[in-house]
Amino acid sequence: QAVLTQPSSLSVSPGASASLTCTLRSGINVGTYRIYWYQQKPGSPPQYLLRYKSDSDKQQGSGVPSRFSGSKDASANAGILLISGLQSEDEADYYCMIWHSSAWVFGGGTKLTVL
Amino acid sequence: EVQLVESGGGLVKPGGSLRLSCAASGFTFSDAWMGWVRQAPGKGLEWVGRIKSKTEGGTTDYAAPVQGRFTISRDDSKNTLYLQMNSLKTEDTAVYSCTTDKFSGYDLYYWGQGTLVTVSS
Repeated sequence: QAVLTQPSSLSVSPGASASLTCTLRSGINVGTYRIYWYQQKPGSPPQYLLRYKSDSDKQQGSGVPSRFSGSKDASANAGILLISGLQSEDEADYYCMIWHSSAWVFGGGTKLTVL
Repeated sequence: EVQLVESGGGLVKPGGSLRLSCAASGFTFSDAWMGWVRQAPGKGLEWVGRIKSKTEGGTTDYAAPVQGRFTISRDDSKNTLYLQMNSLKTEDTAVYSCTTDKFSGYDLYYWGQGTLVTVSS
């Protein structure tokens, strides 16, 4: 079982909110990890969006709009990237990441379609 | 402006070797932990490894699939990061991107555009 699992795709209407999940493997407690989120558009390297561990331990990337925010769902053992007021430019692949067992580990990515 | 520019990619046969370089500018390179991430065509991101700054020991960490085959090094006098890849396999085919691993309070913040490595006979 992968360390981080993301839905492969998600479709959301413009102006709505999108909740992208990153589920940690059973036995790995989301509460102890900083969850990082990246946005990648075709032909470009990933862009750092934010890091979230708790409301007192979070970090927004420089220039990243506040409509991108992080949270956790402890009951689902998952990190969440919430994008509000979706715009066409938000269409991209989104990756989560954690530092686990002395390595950076990425989720498989979610392709977000805005339609 | 931070810039990371990779070079050295190309076509190599299975079992062969290749050395990638990453020229850094716009920040104090010697202060940064640096790393490599790869992305196979049409696939997701995969961490390759990192090297700490010399002031923090200059030690390296690697992902399991490349441990023992890949070596990361740095030349702070040239603001350049290297990735020596030996015993290459077809599954190493990917775009390899240089990243700042830890710098100025951020982890894996800056990324280069990447250089394509194709391992094929």
